[in-house]
Amino acid sequence: NAGVTQTPKFRVLKTGQSMTLLCAQDMNHEYMYWYRQDPGMGLRLIHYSVGEGTTAKGEVPDGYNVSRLKKQNFLLGLESAAPSQTSVYFCASSADRGPYEQYFGPGTRLTVT
Amino acid sequence: AQRVTQPEKLLSVFKGAPVELKCNYSYSGSPELFWYVQYSRQRLQLLLRHISRESIKGFTADLNKGETSFHLKKPFAQEEDSAMYYCALLLNRDDKIIFGKGTRLHILP
Repeated sequence: NAGVTQTPKFRVLKTGQSMTLLCAQDMNHEYMYWYRQDPGMGLRLIHYSVGEGTTAKGEVPDGYNVSRLKKQNFLLGLESAAPSQTSVYFCASSADRGPYEQYFGPGTRLTVT
Repeated sequence: AQRVTQPEKLLSVFKGAPVELKCNYSYSGSPELFWYVQYSRQRLQLLLRHISRESIKGFTADLNKGETSFHLKKPFAQEEDSAMYYCALLLNRDDKIIFGKGTRLHILP
């Protein structure tokens, strides 16, 4: 099993460009999450999904959209990238909201110039 | 409001010395807490959870509801313990986990 994979690993965008980050998991997990990790800020939840076809806002959802059309995939979109979105993005999945071990992907390092 | 506080950004400890990483939480519901760890060039992974009352890699953490704390402890630090540690709180009503800002543990030789 590959676990949780993220595509791409690195990306550089210019301000105003759009892109989609793909998260895939092969563990048949119901729950999936997108976080951003910034120095001194820890991990902050952007959006999450409790099942196929559902999404919900997290702590810092502005400027991002998500879709969960298939259970194994969770897409994170940036419609118009801004320098403030420069970050490392992590996807995670869990079988249930509890006992609640989240499995993380390797991360995507995004730079917006 | 719910939050997780890790007061130390960086903690440096000599090898063989005891380690304590502090975590305090604020939550009106019944708390369920975790410690996650991120070693250099590795993925973030679960270290331990309070409901399991387990010891992983020599680390333990006890939930103290009176002090609203979940400090991570190890009696004798090892160099391989150097990593970023995150305390996390499950928000039962919202199906999500919130993380603290993390503490970088640096074990000195």
